[in-house]
Amino acid sequence: SQKIEQNSEALNIQEGKTATLTCNYTNYSPAYLQWYRQDPGRGPVFLLLIRENEKEKRKERLKVTFDTTLKQSLFHITASQPADSATYLCALNQAGTALIFGKGTTLSVSS
Amino acid sequence: SQTIHQWPATLVQPVGSPLSLECTVEGTSNPNLYWYRQAAGRGLQLLFYSVGIGQISSEVPQNLSASRPQDRQFILSSKKLLLSDSGFYLCAWSVGLAEYNEQFFGPGTRLTVL
Repeated sequence: SQKIEQNSEALNIQEGKTATLTCNYTNYSPAYLQWYRQDPGRGPVFLLLIRENEKEKRKERLKVTFDTTLKQSLFHITASQPADSATYLCALNQAGTALIFGKGTTLSVSS
Repeated sequence: SQTIHQWPATLVQPVGSPLSLECTVEGTSNPNLYWYRQAAGRGLQLLFYSVGIGQISSEVPQNLSASRPQDRQFILSSKKLLLSDSGFYLCAWSVGLAEYNEQFFGPGTRLTVL
């Protein structure tokens, strides 16, 4: 069956450390993978999109990698801050359908 | 700039009552539109998407329906709500196919069915 798994429901780290979130997928062959941030009671907000032929993409303190062999994407936040606390969702496309989202990882950054 | 509106923000409805949630987008033309539901402890579940007026694709069979009467209006309906319909309903839009482009989400409607 097809699955998207974000390996941990919750991740707690200290301010200043690097947070690494994982997204694994099974029985999909996505050409694109996206990451979103969702704050409690709000809709998700787009962060980054990475294509299958891109190994890595960066935006300010954010970095995403996409390994189609491992069927995995890693999402890194460097120099994390309490304001980075939120739920992070990965999403991928399956040809001919809309985006399919993982359940998310809730990140808590403590000062 | 583009904005997306959803209303109402919160709704409490009895089992068996009808439902109508509305979503409108401003500042863009011919968007792809989406309805998602996010239940407690579960991920975002795609319910319906539309690539044009009157064109609706259903992802999950259920007692909900969607309509797109105008280019930038998307409506989610039910004739009789079930307890399991409770959740956070999100409308989203994208320029072209969402798989290639980011999606922009609305503020959501929190629906509680009692």
